[in-house]
Amino acid sequence: GQNIDQPTEMTATEGAIVQINCTYQTSGFNGLFWYQQHAGEAPTFLSYNVLDGLEEKGRFSSFLSRSKGYSYLLLKELQMKDSASYLCAVLESNYQLIWGAGTKLIIKP
Amino acid sequence: IAGITQAPTSQILAAGRRMTLRCTQDMRHNAMYWYRQDLGLGLRLIHYSNTAGTTGKGEVPDGYSVSRANTDDFPLTLASAVPSQTSVYFCASSSGQGDTGELFFGEGSRLTVL
Repeated sequence: GQNIDQPTEMTATEGAIVQINCTYQTSGFNGLFWYQQHAGEAPTFLSYNVLDGLEEKGRFSSFLSRSKGYSYLLLKELQMKDSASYLCAVLESNYQLIWGAGTKLIIKP
Repeated sequence: IAGITQAPTSQILAAGRRMTLRCTQDMRHNAMYWYRQDLGLGLRLIHYSNTAGTTGKGEVPDGYSVSRANTDDFPLTLASAVPSQTSVYFCASSSGQGDTGELFFGEGSRLTVL
């Protein structure tokens, strides 16, 4: 069946690095998305991976291993504004998007 | 500024009442979606439309209906609201067919059914 797992909540310190993991079991694979969602706001796009490897975009990087059904989002030089939920979503072979429940990231000074 | 507009942003509704959530986009995107977001669960797709004039059922379509008369508008109707439909509803759009691209979300509509 379809399943996307990510930790419910993580805490990190301002200026540090945090890695948010996402594992998935889906019906086929056409790519994996990461979205950021601040409390009370809409999700906004962060990254899209369809090939194995690391995609770097400023302070944020996203990694994908299709053989392991695994991705992570790496946030460097954490800032207080990075406090948000981070949503992992997989595009299945039928082009339906399956969403994880999200990881709430708390940044402490 | 281009984007997606949802209305209302918040609504309290008595059970059994009919309610339409409005969604308008000005990006000329072909595909539009309605999701609900509940605490502890991922976004769940209610209905979608790959292009004007066509609609499809998502993961949780029961109790909801949609229409896509034109490219810009994609209203979601609850024919007879029930408390389990209390949720935050997000409308989204993407430029390609199906879910091949980045989704752009509206700000959400918080619905409480009593």
